[in-house]
Formats: sequence, C-alpha cells, structure tokens
Amino acid sequence: AQSVTQPDIHITVSEGASLELRCNYSYGATPYLFWYVQSPGQGLQLLLKYFSGDTLVQGIKGFEAEFKRSQSSFNLRKPSVHWSDAAEYFCAVGPPTNAGKSTFGDGTTLTVKP
Amino acid sequence: NAGVMQNPRHLVRRRGQEARLRCSPMKGHSHVYWYRQLPEEGLKFMVYLQKENIIDESGMPKERFSAEFPKEGPSILRIQQVVRGDSAAYFCASSPTVLTGSNTGELFFGEGSRLTVL
Repeated sequence: AQSVTQPDIHITVSEGASLELRCNYSYGATPYLFWYVQSPGQGLQLLLKYFSGDTLVQGIKGFEAEFKRSQSSFNLRKPSVHWSDAAEYFCAVGPPTNAGKSTFGDGTTLTVKP
Repeated sequence: NAGVMQNPRHLVRRRGQEARLRCSPMKGHSHVYWYRQLPEEGLKFMVYLQKENIIDESGMPKERFSAEFPKEGPSILRIQQVVRGDSAAYFCASSPTVLTGSNTGELFFGEGSRLTVL
C-alpha cells in the first residue's frame, strides 16, 4: 500500500528566509509525486509534480522539489518565503498504475513571521 | 475554462437529515474523486468514479454514504441520516483523461463543500 508522511505538522519561518518542507513516501515502484497548497477556506492547488526524468522539478510561485529515490523523499523548497505563502501544504503520491487514487499526507501548516 | 465546481459551498443539516453534495468536473475530465477533510486533518480518499461507474469506493463508510456519476449531470455524494461526526469539508477533484484512456494522477480540486451537522 502507498503512504505519505509529512513529519512536520507546523513550521514557522521569517519572511525572506528559506523553506524546506519534508515528505517521505512508501511505494514499491517509481511513484507519481505531487505537492499541493491549500489556503484557508479554499480547495487545493497543484504546486508541482514529478512523474519521471529530472529529479529536480520546478513549480509555480517559486517552489521546487527534489525527488530522492534512495531516501524515499520528495521535499519542497523555496529560497525566500513571502507572507502570502502562509498556507497548508500537502504532499501526495499518485496512483501506482494509470488509474486510481492519490494518497495525501496529513499536511504541514506554514506560518510566516514578518 | 471553468474549474471544478462544487455546490453548495456550505450546508447545514440537523442530525438524521440527508445531505447531497454536487460536483461538476472540469470540461473534458472523466475521472472524479471525493475526499473528506476533517478539522485539523489531511484529506482522506473516499471514492473514485468514472462516468456511470464506481471504480474504487474503498474509502467510503459502509453505511449511509453513496456516490454516483451519471452519464449526464454532476457527480453526487449523498449522506443519509447525517450525524455530528459527518461534519467536515468534502472536496471533489477531477483529473484528465489522456489518449490511452488512463489518467495522469494530477488532481484539480473544487473549493469544497463544508457540511455542518447540528
């Protein structure tokens, strides 16, 4: 069975500081990996995705993530956080075949200090 | 191109009543998923549907919950005889269908329907 662990429930960073959100997954083959962002009262928006190829993927809003097979990780990074980045972030692993459902982590809430 | 549309955005029901949540996927998407988000928790998969077919309902409670995605019209998540524990945000997502007939796994979410049971 596939699973996703986001070890940090809540992270606080200062505006302008760098950010790294951790994500570890469990799956038997190469997964499809995603990061989504959810602002309060809103739905989820896709930040970036990894299917294959280059293990460093670029997303929207200046985010990037690196797939490390040896560590079963897909950590999200941003060099300089903006106050508008405060939100909840979800890592997800996609379907093992080309049909099915995604499994989400429990999320990391990001607070940005002025 | 309109995104995934969910309605109602907010729904209040008394215990024992029925709740119906509707979801219209993005144009051209034939895969629909329902997720539930309880307060302070992540998203939990409920059901995956394609037109007129339930593909995976492994996350659906065995009783009181049902889902459909008819040939015409939106997908419906139906909760009968609601209880306070059903209070949550219910999110619908859709995904595109590539030429092979499979989906890429990328999900496009609606803004959710927030159910409050009094």
